Amino acid sequence: QTVVTQEPSLTVSPGGTVTLTCASSTGAVTSDYYPNWFQQKPGQAPKALIYSTSNKHSWTPARFSGSLLGGKAALTLSGVQPEDEAEYYCLLYYGAAQGVFGGGTKLTVL
Amino acid sequence: QVQLQESGPGLVKPSETLSLTCTVSGGSISSYYWSWIRQPAGKGLEWIGRTYISGNTDYNPSLKSRVTISVDTSKNQLSLKLSSVTSADTAVYYCAGGGAPEWWGQGTLVTVSS
Repeated sequence: QTVVTQEPSLTVSPGGTVTLTCASSTGAVTSDYYPNWFQQKPGQAPKALIYSTSNKHSWTPARFSGSLLGGKAALTLSGVQPEDEAEYYCLLYYGAAQGVFGGGTKLTVL
Repeated sequence: QVQLQESGPGLVKPSETLSLTCTVSGGSISSYYWSWIRQPAGKGLEWIGRTYISGNTDYNPSLKSRVTISVDTSKNQLSLKLSSVTSADTAVYYCAGGGAPEWWGQGTLVTVSS
């Protein structure tokens, strides 16, 4: 069974920078996994932020960026705002078919 | 702007089949990928599967024997059927569209209980 692993929790100060990562139990994450990132706030549906590693949706704030880092997919928030406090999920596609979500990272802005 | 709305019974008995419908507005279901995702209370997201109008449908291997995702182009609707449900299938179920997917419904809570 394929497992996608994220940091369970991270804390960042307002205005700071933080990087969340997404690892695959099958090995290095590449662009062939079409890494996606989502933000979910309590009581709300997830909101898509990044697709295909580093592409932003039209509604994605400029402070969010996606990349590949050390064999993992990464989401970097620069100039963190209080409203960025949320749960963040990555989604990888295996064989461009089966999707697997990571367990999520709870980001605290403190 | 594409909008999605899930509908269906909020309560399903164990061993029965869970059936949900997702109505798509602002876009044609004949384009894009369409997915179902679920989230048990207090837990993470689980990818159930996705379909494309070409007929290609992919499922989570852990659910594949029990799940069917289909599209009704005449109604612009996506459907989910999950058979032989247990309490472990209690969750908020989301329909979503696009490759990421980028468009999400608000979600609907389905409780499996007798």
